[in-house]
Amino acid sequence: KAGVTQTPRYLIKTRGQQVTLSCSPISGHRSVSWYQQTPGQGLQFLFEYFSETQRNKGNFPGRFSGRQFSNSRSEMNVSTLELGDSALYLCASSLDEVGKTQYFGPGTRLLVL
Amino acid sequence: QQQVKQSPQSLIVQKGGISIINCAYENTAFDYFPWYQQFPGKGPALLIAIRPDVSEKKEGRFTISFNKSAKQFSLHIMDSQPGDSATYFCAAKTSYGKLTFGQGTILTVHP
Repeated sequence: KAGVTQTPRYLIKTRGQQVTLSCSPISGHRSVSWYQQTPGQGLQFLFEYFSETQRNKGNFPGRFSGRQFSNSRSEMNVSTLELGDSALYLCASSLDEVGKTQYFGPGTRLLVL
Repeated sequence: QQQVKQSPQSLIVQKGGISIINCAYENTAFDYFPWYQQFPGKGPALLIAIRPDVSEKKEGRFTISFNKSAKQFSLHIMDSQPGDSATYFCAAKTSYGKLTFGQGTILTVHP
């Protein structure tokens, strides 16, 4: 079974721009979660989707948004990029809405200049 | 109350030694405690996980010890190998809740 895939793997943007990151979960998995990883803050939860519905949301500003499609694929969007948004963005999928066992993708490395 | 505190931040162990990483939590509603291993340039990979009704779980060289009354759990890596050098994260989750991570421990195993 293929693992979680994330595209693109690397991205360079400038302040003020917006960016969209994509995540394809493991086949059959219906729950997708997004995390931001930085050296200073570690792994921070962004949001979680199950069956196209956002079930949980972390403490991030409204510039961070996401959605899930009917095929369970998910996208996250960051608008009006700031330097501090430079991070590794990780997507994880799990089988069901309880979402206990989460499998992570390789991440998208975002650099904001 | 949602925090998971992990220590130490970094750990250096000789090959063949035992690596021990500790985590503590406050939220008694947490009912799932996984450990993840992350290599540079990769996403975290699930290593081993435990539920609070079990005091110990072993998988190969990796063991989780869980102390529910103290609200602490730890990862023991027996016979540590240079290939174990990575960053390790403990985490905790409630049913239907988000996964909360510790700050991570950078493990270096010297040959």
